[in-house]
Amino acid sequence: DAGVIQSPRHEVTEMGQEVTLRCKPISGHDYLFWYRQTMMRGLELLIYFNNNVPIDDSGMPEDRFSAKMPNASFSTLKIQPSEPRDSAVYFCASSDKYSNQPQHFGDGTRLSIL
Amino acid sequence: KNQVEQSPQSLIILEGKNCTLQCNYTVSPFSNLRWYKQDTGRGPVSLTIMTFSENTKSNGRYTATLDADTKQSSLHITASQLSDSASYICVVSPYGGATNKLIFGTGTLLAVQP
Repeated sequence: DAGVIQSPRHEVTEMGQEVTLRCKPISGHDYLFWYRQTMMRGLELLIYFNNNVPIDDSGMPEDRFSAKMPNASFSTLKIQPSEPRDSAVYFCASSDKYSNQPQHFGDGTRLSIL
Repeated sequence: KNQVEQSPQSLIILEGKNCTLQCNYTVSPFSNLRWYKQDTGRGPVSLTIMTFSENTKSNGRYTATLDADTKQSSLHITASQLSDSASYICVVSPYGGATNKLIFGTGTLLAVQP
């Protein structure tokens, strides 16, 4: 049973470049979440979708960040232009429709902006 | 102010020993409280989920307890193994419309030594 799949696993790019992170949620899950993890702030929710519709993007730090979910099996998180302070591990997670069920996390994308 | 505080920040124990990790939270009301395990370089994995009315929940050698009156939870690990070395994160799900906006603690880093 495939879990949440994220790509790439590692990304190193220069400041100012566009970065696109990808996520394939678990089939049948209704919710998809994007998180950012840093040593200083731990895990922070950026945005989440329900049935492909963005529900809450209040955690998106700036207009440089955008997320889309064109269908139930794919989502992207884009940063344009990227800055060194965006360096972090970005996780995607999915869950079914019940709020007392666990969120299943991918193994993350480690992003380094030089 | 962090709404979910964990202690200790880090812990070293010998293989075979027991240990208890603490979580204090101020999120109120809440829907459920979760414990996640995060191995180095991997995404968090759910260990237990307790609703506000539950006092204890076990998952193998992991036992979580919850005292909603004092707003405290603990995770007890029995007969520790080297594979238990990881970060353990306490997570609270707020009640109501924000149920999916999980609030994460910064974690306890556990090292089990042979």
